[in-house]
Amino acid sequence: SQQGEEDPQALSIQEGENATMNCSYKTSINNLQWYRQNSGRGLVHLILIRSNEREKHSGRLRVTLDTSKKSSSLLITASRAADTASYFCATDKFQGAQKLVFGQGTRLTINP
Amino acid sequence: GAGVSQSPSNKVTEKGKDVELRCDPISGHTALYWYRQSLGQGLEFLIYFQGNSAPDKSGLPSDRFSAERTGGSVSTLTIQRTQQEDSAVYLCASSSGTEFTYEQYFGPGTRLTVT
Repeated sequence: SQQGEEDPQALSIQEGENATMNCSYKTSINNLQWYRQNSGRGLVHLILIRSNEREKHSGRLRVTLDTSKKSSSLLITASRAADTASYFCATDKFQGAQKLVFGQGTRLTINP
Repeated sequence: GAGVSQSPSNKVTEKGKDVELRCDPISGHTALYWYRQSLGQGLEFLIYFQGNSAPDKSGLPSDRFSAERTGGSVSTLTIQRTQQEDSAVYLCASSSGTEFTYEQYFGPGTRLTVT
C-alpha cells in the first residue's frame, strides 16, 4: 500500500496565487521529502524535513510536518507558470533502509 | 558536475523481447535506485543497491526483472520476455548514502514501450 498520498490529485490556480498540497502517510518516518516532476520525466528534489522538525522554508516553498497526524503540507507562494508540474511527497520508514515510498502526486497547473 | 544519466531515453520493443536499460549515477554516490512509473501514477520502487551490500530486490514485480551494478557504479536493469504491462518510464536515482543524507538525484528516465 502507498505510504504517502497527496491531496488534491489536481490543482489549478492563477499565477500569483498560493498553492497548497497535502500529503498523508501511514507509518513512522525518519524524514519526508517533496519532489517536483516536469513532463513525466526525472524528479527534482525540493526540500527535506526531518521527523523532529515542524516547519521548513526554502525560497518560495514552505513545508510543514505534523507527525501526530502523519501529514505534511507544501505551500508554494506567489506561484509562477514555471511551477506547473507534478509534486510528490516521499517518505522513508523509521529504522528502515534508505528507501523512499512515493505518493501518487498532485498535478499543479498555474494559469497565466 | 554531471548528474545521473540514463540510456536509452526511449525504447520501443516487441512483446517477448529482452531489453536492457542503463544508469550512470553521480560519481561517488554509493546508493543507486530503480523505480518504475506508469502513466499518471506515482513511482514504484524496484531495486536498491548500497555499496557492496546485497541489493534489496523486494520491489521487482517478477523474475523477468533483474538488475546488476558493476564496480559500484553503472547499473543495468534487464527485463526479459517483455510484456505490454511493462510499458512505463523507468527512473534511476542515486544518493551519497551517508547517514542522514537521503536526498535522491534522479536521471531523466527511459520511456519503455512494449508493442
